[in-house]
Amino acid sequence: DVKVTQSSRYLVKRTGEKVFLECVQDMDHENMFWYRQDPGLGLRLIYFSYDVKMKEKGDIPEGYSVSREKKERFSLILESASTNQTSMYLCASSLSLASYNSPLHFGNGTRLTVT
Amino acid sequence: AQKITQTQPGMFVQEKEAVTLDCTYDTSDQSYGLFWYKQPSSGEMIFLIYQGSYDEQNATEGRYSLNFQKARKSANLVISASQLGDSAMYFCAMRGPHSGGYNKLIFGAGTRLAVHP
Repeated sequence: DVKVTQSSRYLVKRTGEKVFLECVQDMDHENMFWYRQDPGLGLRLIYFSYDVKMKEKGDIPEGYSVSREKKERFSLILESASTNQTSMYLCASSLSLASYNSPLHFGNGTRLTVT
Repeated sequence: AQKITQTQPGMFVQEKEAVTLDCTYDTSDQSYGLFWYKQPSSGEMIFLIYQGSYDEQNATEGRYSLNFQKARKSANLVISASQLGDSAMYFCAMRGPHSGGYNKLIFGAGTRLAVHP
């Protein structure tokens, strides 16, 4: 089974802090994603990466950046955390970009609170 | 614009009964994929079932089946013989050429299912 591991389950940070959310997958997937989940809004894509050092903006990239130095690891960075970034963050990976039937495999999520 | 609509914020069902969770989608694509995910209180998103737009048969995976009506653009999830462990949030999602390319999975807002003993 695919294993996607997010380093923190719960995180509390102060406004203005730089925050790192880490994600590791063990299935050699090329593609990795960061989503944000808010009640009533479903999941919204922040960034994704289709290869090492490659990244693409999703729907809501403002205030975020990402890093992919190794294939198995994809980091989400909040440059200067703000209260409106309080949310659940979900990392995912998938095998194929070209096939519509390739599901995303998700981690357990990191619930971030910015005070 | 691509969009997924789940009109039921919450549903409840008695244990051992069947339940249908609604999902409608809007797309101009001819080729696309539809997915259902389950999110228990632990937070993990669990992939349940997939339906391709050209699949003639409705997808089934164990107690899960997808009632795919292409002309109506609906992809309802049917859970048979509900169990207490089915209590969770359920998300419908779509992927296609105009949903931001192959990469982007568009999600609905979700339906919270409660299974009562």
